[in-house]
Amino acid sequence: DGGITQSPKYLFRKEGQNVTLSCEQNLNHDAMYWYRQDPGQGLRLIYYSQIVNDFQKGDIAEGYSVSREKKESFPLTVTSAQKNPTAFYLCASRWQRTGVYGYTFGSGTRLTVV
Amino acid sequence: ELKVEQNPLFLSMQEGKNYTIYCNYSTTSDRLYWYRQDPGKSLESLFVLLSNGAVKQEGRLMASLDTKARLSTLHITAAVHDLSATYFCAVDDDTGNQFYFGTGTSLTVIP
Repeated sequence: DGGITQSPKYLFRKEGQNVTLSCEQNLNHDAMYWYRQDPGQGLRLIYYSQIVNDFQKGDIAEGYSVSREKKESFPLTVTSAQKNPTAFYLCASRWQRTGVYGYTFGSGTRLTVV
Repeated sequence: ELKVEQNPLFLSMQEGKNYTIYCNYSTTSDRLYWYRQDPGKSLESLFVLLSNGAVKQEGRLMASLDTKARLSTLHITAAVHDLSATYFCAVDDDTGNQFYFGTGTSLTVIP
């Protein structure tokens, strides 16, 4: 079955550590996205990538980094520069049909700073 | 600045009652999307509305789009407990490169 796989489901980070969240898709979608969700809030865009080896900053990119070396993979690194990283992180890929777009979401990674 | 505003943010309703969630947006896009999120889970696509006057229905949920008013509604008919979740509306920019999500409406259906 096609879909988006995020791992791990839960991640604990110590102060000053960098951690990497994995996102893999087998949907053959070109565009991939990372969103952050804080409790009781909507989704905020961190980074997105339209094609391999290219990505753009979203609204809250500071303290995060990404790479897109393969079409299937879009990992997100939460660096020590991100001062408040505790949140729920969602990866998505975009599907496209004539005149319409949509997102397929992964199951999310819950990151907690300890 | 593009804005997507939902109201109410929180909704508690009894089973069997009807209610409407509103989504106002500022983009000129004609495409509007509704998603459902269960606690701690990912987002599930509910409806894709593509043009003015579009109406989609699935079970007890019906979504509509008025592009002139830049307003979409999600109507709940005869609510049941299983509908308890957070509902998000989203619009894309004119290129389809980015989605912009509303803040969500947290719905609790009380037996």
